[in-house]
Amino acid sequence: GESVGLHLPTLSVQEGDNSIINCAYSNSASDYFIWYKQESGKGPQFIIDIRSNMDKRQGQRVTVLLNKTVKHLSLQIAATQPGDSAVYFCAENTGGFKTIFGAGTRLFVKA
Amino acid sequence: NAGVTQTPKFQVLKTGQSMTLQCAQDMNHEYMSWYRQDPGMGLRLIHYSVGAGITDQGEVPNGYNVSRSTTEDFPLRLLSAAPSQTSVYFCASRGSHQETQYFGPGTRLLVL
Repeated sequence: GESVGLHLPTLSVQEGDNSIINCAYSNSASDYFIWYKQESGKGPQFIIDIRSNMDKRQGQRVTVLLNKTVKHLSLQIAATQPGDSAVYFCAENTGGFKTIFGAGTRLFVKA
Repeated sequence: NAGVTQTPKFQVLKTGQSMTLQCAQDMNHEYMSWYRQDPGMGLRLIHYSVGAGITDQGEVPNGYNVSRSTTEDFPLRLLSAAPSQTSVYFCASRGSHQETQYFGPGTRLLVL
């Protein structure tokens, strides 16, 4: 069935290191993918997105990679900072109003 | 712009009580939706609306009603609260030509 999953429920990194958060999806028809950041007590906040006709997209300190062959999505955060500590969700749009969210990965940044 | 706002922030209900969770957006977005978030699970769609007067069911609609009388407001009603409805509820909106959703701060609901 359709699912968006995350390989690791928690990730702990040292401040200044790079973080990589992974996500697997199963619907090959999905054409749009989004990463959200959710801080404690707040709603999800858009970070970066990518369409299925791309394999890489860069933002400020963040990069999303899409590997359609193995249905894998990753979020890379460069020079991770304490303010990056949050839960990160991947999501896929399968068309229309249907967005499937992953369960989330909690990122801890150690000072 | 205030973006997407939700009230209340917290609510405790007894089983069988009813209540309405409020959601409003000031971005003139056509699309609005309600999600619930439970521990260890992704956001699940309850109901959504593609414009004033139009609503439809999402993945987990049972026990919830919605209406969309204006573009700005999209209230979620719990008719008879059950402990299984203990969750964090998020409202989101987006423009009809956008795919990115903007989320409100959430309402934490505890049903005893």
